[in-house]
Amino acid sequence: GAVVSQHPSRVICKSGTSVKIECRSLDFQATTMFWYRQFPKQSLMLMATSNEGSKATYEQGVEKDKFLINHASLTLSTLTVTSAHPEDSSFYICSAHSADPSVERRMTDTQYFGPGTRLTVL
Amino acid sequence: GQNIDQPTEMTATEGAIVQINCTYQTSGFNGLFWYQQHAGEAPTFLSYNVLDGLEEKGRFSSFLSRSKGYSYLLLKELQMKDSASYLCAAPYLGGGYQKVTFGTGTKLQVIP
Repeated sequence: GAVVSQHPSRVICKSGTSVKIECRSLDFQATTMFWYRQFPKQSLMLMATSNEGSKATYEQGVEKDKFLINHASLTLSTLTVTSAHPEDSSFYICSAHSADPSVERRMTDTQYFGPGTRLTVL
Repeated sequence: GQNIDQPTEMTATEGAIVQINCTYQTSGFNGLFWYQQHAGEAPTFLSYNVLDGLEEKGRFSSFLSRSKGYSYLLLKELQMKDSASYLCAAPYLGGGYQKVTFGTGTKLQVIP
């Protein structure tokens, strides 16, 4: 249980285009999803918190107009990188926080990660 | 704020035991995670400690000392497939949400 998928797994695009990344919780409802970015040889950096039915909250230094987040349902959040540039090339990872009481109690504090999306902007 | 420190790299021999240390300073303590991340992949959950002591799970064990702000991940009977980065992470409440701060990760190389 607690599977999170991401699509696409890999995308290459030209500078100036927009790219949409989907994050889905497959077997549980995720009231909250998180979007991370990871540059080579660096750790995961939280970009924003996506909450179903409300606006996303962004971490300091993350441009909300550039990284559009939509949490359309309890199982889907999307991240759109608008007008992508080479410096946006990174590994984008989503995670979902399960508040499902059927999941082992300790694990409700765990975030379940999607497999990640490798974005390369030419 | 959250501050997490762990060694950048470690090398160990196949079949051996390795201990990866993590020190943390957090405003409020909500447990400590360890994740494994292979190159090009997302992190996978290994352990979550909220109480002091050692928790064993197969070849992997995780230890926590809240008074010392210290944790370690112990890997026994190392296998080549254990070569990966190991991330220490601390959850915290931010803006009403439970978020996670990750350490920079310890890249473990297992050699024959």
